[in-house]
This record gives sequence, structure tokens and C-alpha cells, in this order.
Amino acid sequence: DAKTTQPTSMDCAEGRAANLPCNHSTISGNEYVYWYRQIHSQGPQYIIHGLKNNETNEMASLIITEDRKSSTLILPHATLRDTAVYYCIVCYSGNTPLVFGKGTRLSVIA
Amino acid sequence: EPEVTQTPSHQVTQMGQEVILRCVPISNHLYFYWYRQILGQKVEFLVSFYNNEISEKSEIFDDQFSVERPDGSNFTLKIRSTKLEDSAMYFCASSESVVERDTGELFFGEGSRLTVL
Repeated sequence: DAKTTQPTSMDCAEGRAANLPCNHSTISGNEYVYWYRQIHSQGPQYIIHGLKNNETNEMASLIITEDRKSSTLILPHATLRDTAVYYCIVCYSGNTPLVFGKGTRLSVIA
Repeated sequence: EPEVTQTPSHQVTQMGQEVILRCVPISNHLYFYWYRQILGQKVEFLVSFYNNEISEKSEIFDDQFSVERPDGSNFTLKIRSTKLEDSAMYFCASSESVVERDTGELFFGEGSRLTVL
């Protein structure tokens, strides 16, 4: 079973920042936080991951709390194409199989 | 940009028939996976494959399922005798095993939709 808790759905206005929360209170010291998204019925797409420090790439930023029990994915300027289901996944790095939960359905509204 | 490709995009089959879903992972990747997603449900892990053998498999991956890497490029999922409940989207994924980078990023294909009648 997924070890994370995410809101079922969220709305965000186009051009605004989308902040997607994730709770992972049982995360262990060696587990990473990964974010993937799935646009419609396409294959999941990797967004970002982190262990302890905040991370940023061309797609998003990941903010992890100091106790590592929760994190937030930030899409700085959401577009209509960011409408998708976003999955927060906790797992060991390397090639551990991902366990997907139900994710958060983000709707970006014009 | 390199990508994982899957064929067929959609297959319709009769219950009890054998089905083979094909995947071409990204060329320098070493780990391969199959996931499935029943319509409206979660993405579920089926199996991972490394160094020509299964690394891990889920409870879903029973004796009706098998995987193979018949040559240097293809990675296949075979369902021996399909059941109605096998109807789903099947996703192949691959990852690069670079210990020093250790990103664990999985690259997914666009999926093969299997419909069992």
C-alpha cells in the first residue's frame, strides 16, 4: 500500500503557483520522496525527487519539511497542460518498484 | 529525447487467448518494469527485471504472466490465458542504473490497452 496521503483533488488558476501537499509520516531515513504525474491515460511522468533538502528542476520545486514527514510539490506557474493526477511516492532510491497511491487530481483552470 | 515505446497501442482479445505486449526500453537502461492500470484505478506494479531475471514481482504477477527479454532491445509481457479482469492499460518502464547518481527515475511508455472480451 502507498505510504503517503494526498488530497483527492485541487484546483489552481492558470499562471498561479500550484502547491500540492503530501503527508508521509512513516517515512524512514533512507527513503526518498518522488513525484510523478499522469496526464489523462498516458504513462506516468517523473517530475522530481528528494531526500532531505529542497530540490528544484525545470518542472517544479520540492519542499520537504525538516522532520521529513511531509512535503509540497510546487508548480510555479501552472498551465492548462499541467492538469493531471500527481502522485507522491516514498521509496528507497535505486530501482525499488514504485507503489502508486490515488494521487491528487489537479485541475488548472483558465 | 529517448523514450520507451510500446506495441500494440490497443489489443482486443478473446478470453482464454494468449497475449504478448512488447516494449522497447531506452537503450542504455538496465532495469525494466511492467505496471498495469485498470480503468479508473491505481497504477499497480507487476514485475521488475534486471540482468535477465525477475528482480521483484507483485501478487498480481501469477503463473499466467511471464516476462522475457528475447533480444537486446525488446522486453515482453506475456499473458498465457487472458481473463476478463486482465483488461487494463499496461505500462512498460525502464530506468538507468547509475549507482553514483542513483536517481531511480523511471521512464514510462505510453501504454498498451488490453481489452479482453
